[in-house]
Amino acid sequence: GIQVEQSPPDLILQEGANSTLRCNFSDSVNNLQWFHQNPWGQLINLFYIPSGTKQNGRLSATTVATERYSLLYISSSQTTDSGVYFCAVNTGNQFYFGTGTSLTVIP
Amino acid sequence: KAGVTQTPRYLIKTRGQQVTLSCSPISGHRSVSWYQQTPGQGLQFLFEYFSETQRNKGNFPGRFSGRQFSNSRSEMNVSTLELGDSALYLCASSLIQGGEAFFGQGTRLTVV
Repeated sequence: GIQVEQSPPDLILQEGANSTLRCNFSDSVNNLQWFHQNPWGQLINLFYIPSGTKQNGRLSATTVATERYSLLYISSSQTTDSGVYFCAVNTGNQFYFGTGTSLTVIP
Repeated sequence: KAGVTQTPRYLIKTRGQQVTLSCSPISGHRSVSWYQQTPGQGLQFLFEYFSETQRNKGNFPGRFSGRQFSNSRSEMNVSTLELGDSALYLCASSLIQGGEAFFGQGTRLTVV
């Protein structure tokens, strides 16, 4: 199967700081999504981004499919941004997940 | 528009028992897939259903099974529960296979 690597594994930020999360994948994919897992376990959709760049408020994402990586940018971080961020890629019939980046934003 | 609904949210079972989890996808979505999340193994694919047919299956023993009904609702069943089956089970729905997926809140299963 496809290998998905996320970095960094852990990140601690001061409120207001910016951060970049990276996702590398080992093969061509049909679909790439970024999720934020809330404290209750639900995966919240952030971006559906098989290629290109998208922005949603303080969050933006870029996927360079030809180079097999995606970046998630979080600007002006808030304590509510804390949690685990997952990158997942889909080849057409299943998602392969990275191991996540655990983000802690301290006031 | 209602999201993906999983029931029950929490479940405690004894080793050797069986369990059935339910997932109702977003209205109009025909693809439902299931994932297991554990601290040690992360998020792992169990199986995917589309139009009542299992299209793909992950590397899990035969104790794990599922089905999809004509209204796209899906159930997964785990028989002869083991302690290692304790996990968060997540269901995702999408309009088409491989399309944008939306996850439910999950069912947290504890096997004692």
